[in-house]
Amino acid sequence: SQTIHQWPATLVQPVGSPLSLECTVEGTSNPNLYWYRQAAGRGLQLLFYSVGIGQISSEVPQNLSASRPQDRQFILSSKKLLLSDSGFYLCAWSVGTGANEQFFGPGTRLTVL
Amino acid sequence: QKEVEQDPGPLSVPEGAIVSLNCTYSNSAFQYFMWYRQYSRKGPELLMYTYSSGNKEDGRFTAQVDKSSKYISLFIRDSQPSDSATYLCANSGGSNYKLTFGKGTLLTVNP
Repeated sequence: SQTIHQWPATLVQPVGSPLSLECTVEGTSNPNLYWYRQAAGRGLQLLFYSVGIGQISSEVPQNLSASRPQDRQFILSSKKLLLSDSGFYLCAWSVGTGANEQFFGPGTRLTVL
Repeated sequence: QKEVEQDPGPLSVPEGAIVSLNCTYSNSAFQYFMWYRQYSRKGPELLMYTYSSGNKEDGRFTAQVDKSSKYISLFIRDSQPSDSATYLCANSGGSNYKLTFGKGTLLTVNP
């Protein structure tokens, strides 16, 4: 069966510090991978998605970036965090082409102070 | 007009009640419809996935899609306190990899 991992689970970082969140998927090959942010009362905001190694699509211009160094690894980064980057970051995966159902990881709660 | 509208609630019901959760959407291209359940401080989990108009049942849950009125519903029968969560609807046109989510409805089932 497929499993998705995210770490860390929680993170408190000062403004201006760098960020690296990691997501890995087990039990499937060539998944589509997604990063979402969920802020209080604002729903799920798609940040990036990737349909293959090295292929990244950005949905929202911001100070975040994503990379996919391996088939089942997706990384969300920032060089300098802003207060507005606080939120609940979710990684998700799907398989196939088109809009198949997505499966979410446990999330990382980021607080920027 | 937002692509997917969902009443945020909160919705509070007694245990055993039938719960109706609803979303409306504006994009006629939407073909795929999903319901997710999200417990507090957890990632969303997929409850129901449907492609066409009509009903789909899974245990105590029934998803209903009416494409003519662009209206989707999730019914929960014999609701339990463990059903207390935020419920998110999600739609897609199928031609890309992206889902459009509603903002979620917070449901509390009181014992």
